[in-house]
Amino acid sequence: QKEVEQDPGPLSVPEGAIVSLNCTYSNSAFQYFMWYRQYSRKGPELLMYTYSSGNKEDGRFTAQVDKSSKYISLFIRDSQPSDSATYLCAMRETGGFKTIFGAGTRLFVKA
Amino acid sequence: ETGVTQTPRHLVMGMTNKKSLKCEQHLGHNAMYWYKQSAKKPLELMFVYSLEERVENNSVPSRFSPECPNSSHLFLHLHTLQPEDSALYLCASSQDLQPRPYEQYFGPGTRLTVT
Repeated sequence: QKEVEQDPGPLSVPEGAIVSLNCTYSNSAFQYFMWYRQYSRKGPELLMYTYSSGNKEDGRFTAQVDKSSKYISLFIRDSQPSDSATYLCAMRETGGFKTIFGAGTRLFVKA
Repeated sequence: ETGVTQTPRHLVMGMTNKKSLKCEQHLGHNAMYWYKQSAKKPLELMFVYSLEERVENNSVPSRFSPECPNSSHLFLHLHTLQPEDSALYLCASSQDLQPRPYEQYFGPGTRLTVT
C-alpha cells in the first residue's frame, strides 16, 4: 500500500465550478499536510499547508484534514482557467525531514 | 536570478554518456534536495543535503552521484543511465531540514531523456 494515494485524473470542470481534490494516507504519524500546485513546465509551489486536523481557508481555496479517516481535501471555489494545473498533496511527520508526495491530480478548468 | 534555478532545462543523452545537472538557490537556504518526477507517479526523493552534508540517500542507483560543494549549489552527476531514468529531475531547497512551515522551493526541473 502506498503511503499517499491520489487520483491522477485528469479532472475537467467548467469555469466557476467548485473543485474537490482529495488524498488518502496510511501513516498516522503525519501531522503536516500541504498542497502544492504545479503548472506545466514549472516546479511545484506551495499553495497551502495545515497542521493536524481542521480547516484552513485562503481566498478561493480551502484545505481540510480529517485525521480520523486519514483523508485530506482541497476545495477550489469559483474555479478559473488559470487554476488549470497539477495539484500535489504532500505530508510530513513532526520532526521528520522527508516530505511524502501524492502522484498529483491534473485539473483542467474550461472557459 | 531569484529562487531556484536549474540547468540545463532539457537534456537528451545516450546510455553511455556522462552528464551533470546543476541547481542553484538564491534564497540563503541550508537544505537542498533532488527529486525524480515520472508521469503519474509521486515525486521520489533521491538525495537530501543539509549544510553541504548528505543526510539521505534514498536507495538510489550508483549511476546517480550527487555533489554539494556549498549551500547554494547542488549537482547531480549522471553516467551509464537506463531508458527508465527518463524523467523530470527537480531540485528544491528549504530554510532548514525541518523548516516551518515546511515549505520547499522548487526549481523548474530538467527534462531528461535517455536514448
